[in-house]
Amino acid sequence: DIQMTQSPSTLSASVGDRVTITCRASQSISSWLAWYQQKPGKAPKLVIYKASSSESGVPSRFSGSGSGTEFTLTISSLQPDDFATYYCQQYNSYALTFGGGTKVEIK
Amino acid sequence: EVQLVESGGGLVQPGGSLRLSCAASGFTVSSNYMSWVRQAPGKGLEWVSVIYSGGSTYYADSVKGRFTISRDNSKNMLYLQMNSLRAEDTAVYYCARDTSNGYYDYWGQGTLVTVSS
Repeated sequence: DIQMTQSPSTLSASVGDRVTITCRASQSISSWLAWYQQKPGKAPKLVIYKASSSESGVPSRFSGSGSGTEFTLTISSLQPDDFATYYCQQYNSYALTFGGGTKVEIK
Repeated sequence: EVQLVESGGGLVQPGGSLRLSCAASGFTVSSNYMSWVRQAPGKGLEWVSVIYSGGSTYYADSVKGRFTISRDNSKNMLYLQMNSLRAEDTAVYYCARDTSNGYYDYWGQGTLVTVSS
């Protein structure tokens, strides 16, 4: 199975900060990567797919980049609604696998 | 509006069985890829199983031979039959609509399965 490693596991930031989360795959997954946002007690919500394509309705402050084995999710100006846990997911091959998550906390 | 509503979770003893259901509305289950994804308490997300629109099914190694994914086209429902349950199967189970590419655009609210004596 392809292993997905996210860093950092926790990130403390303030409203207005630029935030970057990294996701690394154990082998090349081309651009077959999605990012999800999850808030406590809620289901994940799709943010980015195909590494850099934004899901409909997602604020433009969210962007994704990367290909191969290294990917990033960037929030250009952190808003109060963005404090959550973010997961990357590869869909290059089964078994589909997720990263361990990055919790974005209020500083 | 697309909606997914899971049910059937609960407390079950090790070795027991449980069937989860997912009621879909706003789209046709049989025309889509559908998956089950689980999340152990305080942990990350783990893909469990998928059923393709054509009926093919795939499973994570951790549940292969114990879990069965199925659907009822007439009821627009997705199911997960879970047998020989273990403590490590304790998790919130989500059903999710797969875009047919392998990522998920809609998720249910989840149903908690607790395996404990």
